[in-house]
Amino acid sequence: QVQLQESGPGLVKPSETLSLTCSVSGGSISGFYWSWIRQPPEKGLEWIGYIYHSGNTNYNPSLKSRVTISVNTSKNQFSLKLKSVTAADTAVYYCARHRSSWFPPYYWGQGTLVTVSS
Amino acid sequence: QSVLTQPPSVSETPGQRVTISCSGGSFNIGSNTVSWYQQFPGTAPKLLIYSNSQRPSGVPDRFSGSKSDSSASLAISGLQSEDEADYYCAAWNDSLWVFGGGTKLTVL
Repeated sequence: QVQLQESGPGLVKPSETLSLTCSVSGGSISGFYWSWIRQPPEKGLEWIGYIYHSGNTNYNPSLKSRVTISVNTSKNQFSLKLKSVTAADTAVYYCARHRSSWFPPYYWGQGTLVTVSS
Repeated sequence: QSVLTQPPSVSETPGQRVTISCSGGSFNIGSNTVSWYQQFPGTAPKLLIYSNSQRPSGVPDRFSGSKSDSSASLAISGLQSEDEADYYCAAWNDSLWVFGGGTKLTVL
């Protein structure tokens, strides 16, 4: 069974960079698309972007200037960096897997809360 | 403001049928398929419906989806107390994924 696990700091200061890693177990990172999705407290879901195992990326235009998603196939991990964060970036961050770019995310991590505060 | 529009809340009594609507536009629902997710508090969303009306393995057939033009609906029949959750629609929108704002289902 494929499992995804997010890890990273739960508290980030304003103007700094949020960094999260998603570790994939029970399956290879190759051949799939890997997304980051976030959910502010008591609000809906927002897709941040995805990466293919080859390294091709696609980002939400609303976040594109601040986001970098990268993949490390040897570690079966992919990562998110979001720079210049503000309180509006406080959210539960999920990593997820799709079988293609247009197929919805099926496997999700449990999510990790990141709070932006000084 | 979400790209896809859902009612904030719906409610119904056990055993009944409830529908949740999702309205979009020509670049998302109008030209791509719709998916639906179920989310319980403190947990990750679970895929309920993909390709408008397909259920992943393990999803009861009480859950069904449909799409017409730029709108979609999720129907839950034989409502059970454990169906009380938040439901989100999603669609591919011209190279990005968009979600509805979510609908809270209350089972009275």
